[in-house]
Formats: sequence, C-alpha cells, structure tokens
Amino acid sequence: DVVMTQSPVSLPVTLGQPASISCRSSQGLVYDDGNTYLNWFLQRPGQSPRRLIYLVSKRDSGVPDRFSGGGSGTDFTLEISRVEAEDVGVYYCMQGTHFPLTFGGGTRVDIK
Amino acid sequence: EAQLLESGGGLVQPGGSLRLSCATSGLIFNIYDMSWVRQAPGKGLEWVAGIRANGVETFYSSSVWGRFIVSRDNSRNTLSLQMSALRVEDTARYYCVNGLRISGGWGRGTLVTVSS
Repeated sequence: DVVMTQSPVSLPVTLGQPASISCRSSQGLVYDDGNTYLNWFLQRPGQSPRRLIYLVSKRDSGVPDRFSGGGSGTDFTLEISRVEAEDVGVYYCMQGTHFPLTFGGGTRVDIK
Repeated sequence: EAQLLESGGGLVQPGGSLRLSCATSGLIFNIYDMSWVRQAPGKGLEWVAGIRANGVETFYSSSVWGRFIVSRDNSRNTLSLQMSALRVEDTARYYCVNGLRISGGWGRGTLVTVSS
C-alpha cells in the first residue's frame, strides 16, 4: 500500500499568517493517464470532510483562493496564504492513483 | 447540489453482519464511481471500498478484503456496503463518497459499533 506521510501533525497558526502542510507519498503518484491523483480535504470539527483541492492544484468550487496546492512526484504541499478562523480543523491528503487508495494521517490546524 | 444519505448503521456483535446503504440525489449517479470511507472514533480517515460507475469493477482495502462487498443499483441511485465477519476494529463512522480517484462530495456518515 502507498503510505502517505503528513507533517506536521499539529500546526498552531496566527490569524492572518501563512500556513503550510506537507504530504509525502511512498511511491510516485502519476497515473497511466498522465494525471496525478492527489487530493486535499478539510474536516472541520463535527463535520464531514470536504474536498478542497484535487489533481494536486485544482481548487474546488467555493474554496477561497488563499488555499493552494502544489508539488509533484512524491512531495506535495497545501498552503494557506493568510489563515482565517474558519480554516481550523484537520487537513488530510489522499492519493487516488494506486489501489488501495490511502489517506495521510492528518494535520490539525488551530489558532494560537 | 448532490446529496448523499447513509443509513443502516448500528450496534452489532463481533462476527455479525450489517448492510449499509447510501441514497443519492442531485447527481447523475450512473456516471460516477463511488467509494466508502470510514473514520474510527477520534482517528483519521481510511478508504474502505470503491466501485466503478457501471458496477463491474470493485476495489477494497486490505483490512476489509474478503469480508465486505460494495455494490450499487443504478436504477435506484443507491450504493451499498455489505459487511460480514465484523470485528471490533471495524467500529467507525462510514461515509459514502462521490468519486474514486478524485473523491468529491461526502455524506454525513452512519455509525457502526461492533461490540459484545
């Protein structure tokens, strides 16, 4: 199985400051069709996860442009340019290239 | 907007069986691959099973392979997960997810508790 390793596990941030989460896969995530199936999700407290980013860098509809995804190969990053209070929760990366599909362990973001 | 509504969760003894369902609306169900993802209490997300839009091809995590069966009824826009030989470690909230490689919308989940 592909192991997805996220860091840090916990990320206290100051409102208005940037934040960055790393996700590393144990295998490359480029699929035969040329796409890299790397997704990012946010699970706010008490809610279901919500997808923010798919195909490494494509933002979902309604996701603020302060969120951006990047990376390639086995190293990927989710960046928040200026953290807002509503960004609190647990962020997960997920690879959709190799079966079984796998998630990272999560990064908990809260406000200092 | 797509709606995904899971049902069928509950308390079951170890070794028992349970069938989860996911009723969908607001999406063209028969063109989408679908998945089940679970979350144990206080833990992270674990992908469990997936099925192609035409229902022909299915995929499973190693932790449930041989015990769970994912299926779908495209005429009724529903996704199912038949769970057997349940273990204590299967205790989790089970989410129905629109998509497979690019997992999109999620339901609210249904709670499965395996305990004697």
